[in-house]
Amino acid sequence: AQKITQTQPGMFVQEKEAVTLDCTYDTSDPSYGLFWYKQPSSGEMIFLIYQGSYDQQNATEGRYSLNFQKARKSANLVISASQLGDSAMYFCAMREGRAGSARQLTFGSGTQLTVLP
Amino acid sequence: DTAVSQTPKYLVTQMGNDKSIKCEQNLGHDTMYWYKQDSKKFLKIMFSYNNKELIINETVPNRFSPKSPDKAHLNLHINSLELGDSAVYFCASSREAQAFFGQGTRLTVV
Repeated sequence: AQKITQTQPGMFVQEKEAVTLDCTYDTSDPSYGLFWYKQPSSGEMIFLIYQGSYDQQNATEGRYSLNFQKARKSANLVISASQLGDSAMYFCAMREGRAGSARQLTFGSGTQLTVLP
Repeated sequence: DTAVSQTPKYLVTQMGNDKSIKCEQNLGHDTMYWYKQDSKKFLKIMFSYNNKELIINETVPNRFSPKSPDKAHLNLHINSLELGDSAVYFCASSREAQAFFGQGTRLTVV
């Protein structure tokens, strides 16, 4: 079974609008971490935001916020005030086990976001 | 001040050759990884090292051999390269809530 599911292969958003990229996950481990990465056309993987399974509040980093709904096992990324430079592939990932464990990240298939002028 | 750096960024080589990709991190992280990104952009774990010890070795041909001389370095050596090895290879390191990637190495086997 897929551990990380991103159901939107492609998304379009108008510049300055907010956009939500969906991510659902599957784990039976009570300790886990959720990550979002941005991969622009230049190819590098840019870390955006992290949410731990025991974190009480949703993570935020500048224009990025993570809408963490534990019961629904979803960890959607919200980008506010989209900019043209936000056009990229976005990956959701999960690491099972406590923070600091050597477990690997498991990635979703990604969402290609295009910001329209 | 690059946190995770890997070299080279591009590598074009002929089938049958042996090549290495180097990775270094200056973050003091204990765990380092190699991931492969295929042509459909799917990222898959290859190896994971914790404090120089191999933790994870996914189903990867034994032509691929990671080497970790110290905690800050994890190199990937590939023997007898095949056309199907063409991909982007990412090194990464992590600790706690951080997981950072190198810029990737685009390997093309011709």
